[in-house]
Amino acid sequence: DGGITQSPKYLFRKEGQNVTLSCEQNLNHDAMYWYRQDPGQGLRLIYYSQIVNDFQKGDIAEGYSVSREKKESFPLTVTSAQKNPTAFYLCASSRLTGSSYNEQFFGPGTRLTVL
Amino acid sequence: AQSVTQLDSHVSVSEGTPVLLRCNYSSSYSPSLFWYVQHPNKGLQLLLKYTSAATLVKGINGFEAEFKKSETSFHLTKPSAHMSDAAEYFCVVSERGTYKYIFGTGTRLKVLA
Repeated sequence: DGGITQSPKYLFRKEGQNVTLSCEQNLNHDAMYWYRQDPGQGLRLIYYSQIVNDFQKGDIAEGYSVSREKKESFPLTVTSAQKNPTAFYLCASSRLTGSSYNEQFFGPGTRLTVL
Repeated sequence: AQSVTQLDSHVSVSEGTPVLLRCNYSSSYSPSLFWYVQHPNKGLQLLLKYTSAATLVKGINGFEAEFKKSETSFHLTKPSAHMSDAAEYFCVVSERGTYKYIFGTGTRLKVLA
């Protein structure tokens, strides 16, 4: 089955630690995205990538970093510089936008909690 | 600039009664519009999308939405609510040719037995 996988499902971070969230897709999509979800705030874009070895900051990139070494993979690192990282993190992918209306496909999410 | 407003943060309906979740959008150009559903601690699942082929869009699980350009609305409806419809629903707007998807703040649907 084609889809997006995220791991781990739950993650706990101590103060001052960096943690990395995994996102893999086998949909052959070019574009991948990371969102943060907080109660009552909808989804906010952290980073997105349209092609391997290239990515752009979204609306709330401070304290996060990403890499895109393979088309299938788009890991997100939450650094110690992110002061309030407790949230639900969602990875998504889509075909590259263009003349068609491309929906996003979402992974199951990772819930990160700071201890 | 694009924006999307979901007019109700919470909606409660009785099982078997109609569902109406309201969404208004703002977009400078021809928008793409989507409705997603999210069950607790899960990812988002696409319910339906507006592709400009038809103003009335049918989606999965009996949901549909009507694109009204004059009212800049894209409300989600279902004739008869089921207990399994209880979830959070997101309206999303995107401009064709851009990377950016703008999410509403969500509407939590409660279905009463």
